[in-house]
Amino acid sequence: NAGVTQTPKFRILKIGQSMTLQCTQDMNHNYMYWYRQDPGMGLKLIYYSVGAGITDKGEVPNGYNVSRSTTEDFPLRLELAAPSQTSVYFCASSYSWGDYPRRTDTQYFGPGTRLTVL
Amino acid sequence: AQKITQTQPGMFVQEKEAVTLDCTYDTSDQSYGLFWYKQPSSGEMIFLIYQGSYDEQNATEGRYSLNFQKARKSANLVISASQLGDSAMYFCAMRENNGGSQGNLIFGKGTKLSVKP
Repeated sequence: NAGVTQTPKFRILKIGQSMTLQCTQDMNHNYMYWYRQDPGMGLKLIYYSVGAGITDKGEVPNGYNVSRSTTEDFPLRLELAAPSQTSVYFCASSYSWGDYPRRTDTQYFGPGTRLTVL
Repeated sequence: AQKITQTQPGMFVQEKEAVTLDCTYDTSDQSYGLFWYKQPSSGEMIFLIYQGSYDEQNATEGRYSLNFQKARKSANLVISASQLGDSAMYFCAMRENNGGSQGNLIFGKGTKLSVKP
C-alpha cells in the first residue's frame, strides 16, 4: 500500500492564480480530510468527506473547494490564491471502527504539499 | 477556549532517558478520543498512539505510553528510553463523539522535543 499520496510536494503561486492539490489513498478509507498547517501551529481542518459524493466544511474553508467523485481521490482546489494561503497542506484518510460510545477512527496523513503564494 | 493545550513549546531530554509531554483538553462530551502524532523535520505526520475516553487502561505502543487522567482532563505522552530519532514536533489531538456523530480532529500547537546525545 502506498497509503496517502499527495502531489505536488512544493509549489509557488502568484497572487490570483489557481491550482489543484491532488490527494489519493489506496486503503479504501471512507473518510478523507484536508488540513493546513501554518508555521509554529497545529493543523486546522479545511474540508472533509465521509464518502464519495459527500463533502463538508471544516474550520477554515474560505478560499478553497473540494470534490469527491471516487473513494480514492479528494482534490483541493484553490481559486484566486492569496498570500494568506501560504501554508503546508496535508491530506488524510481514515476508517471508523467500534460502536458508540467507543467509536473512533485513526487518521493517516500524506507527506504534505508546501505552498507559497507571492 | 482552547480545546487542546500543550504548555511546553520545547523540551530537551538526554538520550536513553524517559520524557513526558503534557497535554490537557477541554470537552463536555463523555465519549471522545485522544491522539498523539509525531512530526519530524521532514514534515510528515506520523500517528503514535490513541486513547479512548472509555478505555479502562492507559494505551501503550512500544516505547510510547499515554498517561490518561480523565478527572484532570490530561493525556500526557510518555516516551521511554529516548532515541536521537525521537527529536521532532509532537502534537496532541482530540476528537469528540458528539453523541454518535463524530466531531473533527482538533490539534494542539505542539511540543518540540530535542534529544541530546
